Amino acid sequence: SAVISQKPSRDICQRGTSLTIQCQVDSQVTMMFWYRQQPGQSLTLIATANQGSEATYESGFVIDKFPISRPNLTFSTLTVSNMSPEDSSIYLCSVQEPSNVLTFGAGSRLTVL
Amino acid sequence: DAKTTQPNSMESNEEEPVHLPCNHSTISGTDYIHWYRQLPSQGPEYVIHGLTSNVNNRMASLAIAEDRKSSTLILHRATLRDAAVYYCILRPAGGTSYGKLTFGQGTILTVHP
Repeated sequence: SAVISQKPSRDICQRGTSLTIQCQVDSQVTMMFWYRQQPGQSLTLIATANQGSEATYESGFVIDKFPISRPNLTFSTLTVSNMSPEDSSIYLCSVQEPSNVLTFGAGSRLTVL
Repeated sequence: DAKTTQPNSMESNEEEPVHLPCNHSTISGTDYIHWYRQLPSQGPEYVIHGLTSNVNNRMASLAIAEDRKSSTLILHRATLRDAAVYYCILRPAGGTSYGKLTFGQGTILTVHP
């Protein structure tokens, strides 16, 4: 299965700032996804990162708040903009394997003060 | 999206079998039943999936009811490493929802030595 590296693994940020999370995959993949896991909660899909075009966002998530880039088939970034304490979460990148199952990164734990 | 219902938590003793139930009474004919688990401080990992027939792999077995309205994940001999949150997820085979995973709250499995 694909190996996913996410950076940073964790960070503490100040309110009002922005943070970009990187997701690097060791193989080319067609479909990449970004999820959020709020403290004590399950995972929620933020968006599908489309290569060469704008990401497809789920209800409740907007591009201005969570801009996503997907410049090629092995890399994507998620930016959390103008952060507030409510954005404190684990953000996870995932990719769809040829077997149609999803592989997840270890996540990026974000704390906003 | 069709929803799943799982018990909030279950407990098991090490080296005993574990049966994790999942109800999905509104499943559609093309929905696959996927199971993922999330170990502490890690991203979810794929366990097993099936459509109609029972499935076995090196990690677990999946027993699917004949009417497909419920399924059971079977860990044949639980180990301490199997302590995790187990998610039962319905995944459409196609359409605009293809590729996405909608996570419920899952079942927290505790394994006692």
